[in-house]
Amino acid sequence: EVQLVESGGGLVKPGRSLRLSCTASGFIFGDYAMNWFRQAPGRGLEWVGFIRSKTYGGTTEYAASVKGRFTISRDDSKSIAYLQMNSLKTEDTAVYYCTRVVGYTFGTDWGQGILVTVSS
Amino acid sequence: QSALTQPASVSGSPGQSITISCTGTSSDVGAYNYVSWYQQPPGKAPKLMIYDVSKRPSGVSNRFSGSKSGNTASLTISGLQAEDEADYYCSSYTTSNSVVFGGGTELTVL
Repeated sequence: EVQLVESGGGLVKPGRSLRLSCTASGFIFGDYAMNWFRQAPGRGLEWVGFIRSKTYGGTTEYAASVKGRFTISRDDSKSIAYLQMNSLKTEDTAVYYCTRVVGYTFGTDWGQGILVTVSS
Repeated sequence: QSALTQPASVSGSPGQSITISCTGTSSDVGAYNYVSWYQQPPGKAPKLMIYDVSKRPSGVSNRFSGSKSGNTASLTISGLQAEDEADYYCSSYTTSNSVVFGGGTELTVL
């Protein structure tokens, strides 16, 4: 059974940094791209970015709203994907979801989500 | 404003069928057969219901079906049940190597 567990969320002040982790199990982590979505309170889903598998270069793509501030990385030896969030803004407040990518389906499997609150 | 356009809400009675539309452009929905649909009950994580326009993951009821014509994709739920009440989101891969969502549709089972 595929399991994705996000951790590292919490309350942070504007301008500060936070790193989220996504610990995966139940599949060969290194064979898949991993993705992050987010959902602001009472709002819809928003794509954040994804990282390809090493087979496809391990390269990343980001939404315009986070490009230059957020960085996605992966440690295949630990089956963990990371979302490093710098220069956080109040509008980054959201539940962040880690998902497994299969083909061009970016939300094949979802974690339970982790809340990040950016507030002074 | 979301990149894909969905109706804000739809409703139907138990046993009826409903269809949710998702309109994009030639750079997303119209470009590839990479449209997905997600179901999100209140307070829960989304769940994949349809991928690659019309494919159902294992375990998803065959009451759920998807289709696409040009720049518009559609999700149809037949034989509505109370448990289908949730928010539904469409999503598409784009020619810019990004992912876009619709604003979501709230389904009410009357």
